[in-house]
Amino acid sequence: GNSVTQMEGPVTLSEEAFLTINCTYTATGYPSLFWYVQYPGEGLQLLLKATKADDKGSNKGFEATYRKETTSFHLEKGSVQVSDSAVYFCAPARDDKIIFGKGTRLHILP
Amino acid sequence: DAGVIQSPRHEVTEMGQEVTLRCKPISGHDYLFWYRQTMMRGLELLIYFNNNVPIDDSGMPEDRFSAKMPNASFSTLKIQPSEPRDSAVYFCASRPDYPGLYFGEGSWLTVV
Repeated sequence: GNSVTQMEGPVTLSEEAFLTINCTYTATGYPSLFWYVQYPGEGLQLLLKATKADDKGSNKGFEATYRKETTSFHLEKGSVQVSDSAVYFCAPARDDKIIFGKGTRLHILP
Repeated sequence: DAGVIQSPRHEVTEMGQEVTLRCKPISGHDYLFWYRQTMMRGLELLIYFNNNVPIDDSGMPEDRFSAKMPNASFSTLKIQPSEPRDSAVYFCASRPDYPGLYFGEGSWLTVV
């Protein structure tokens, strides 16, 4: 079945720093890959997605590229803001189900 | 457009009581999922439905948990009897026939 490994948090950065949150997955076949974000007290929101190898998903300045050869989908942002403070979940989807990692808590200092 | 609607948002109940959580998915979405989130275990898939039919309930913790979807616009997750270890945030999510989930805001359950 699918599984996902994310870097453990919390990750603390200063505003305008470069962000990378690593994600690797195991899955049969070629899953679709997602990043979700959860702000305090809210449900998860879809941040970006990629459905096939070498696809790049992007949204709100965040990017992630589907790397089949390394089974990775690392999340990056060039300049983070305080408002990006949240928990980020990497999630492969295959056969109807989406399996979530434990999430990486991101804390941005002003 | 209305998103996924869950109720109640918050519930505090005593151990042994029955708890019923409700979910209205986005209209037209064929799939409905129930997840549970805790600090220790993260986000766990409990059960999901396709066209109102339960497809995979392997994540349901034990017989105290049950879920139903009597029609395309309503689902319930019931815990009977509730225990303190059931305290968590329960999320409902729906999606159309392609990947990408839409989550509700969650039901925050505390069992004392």
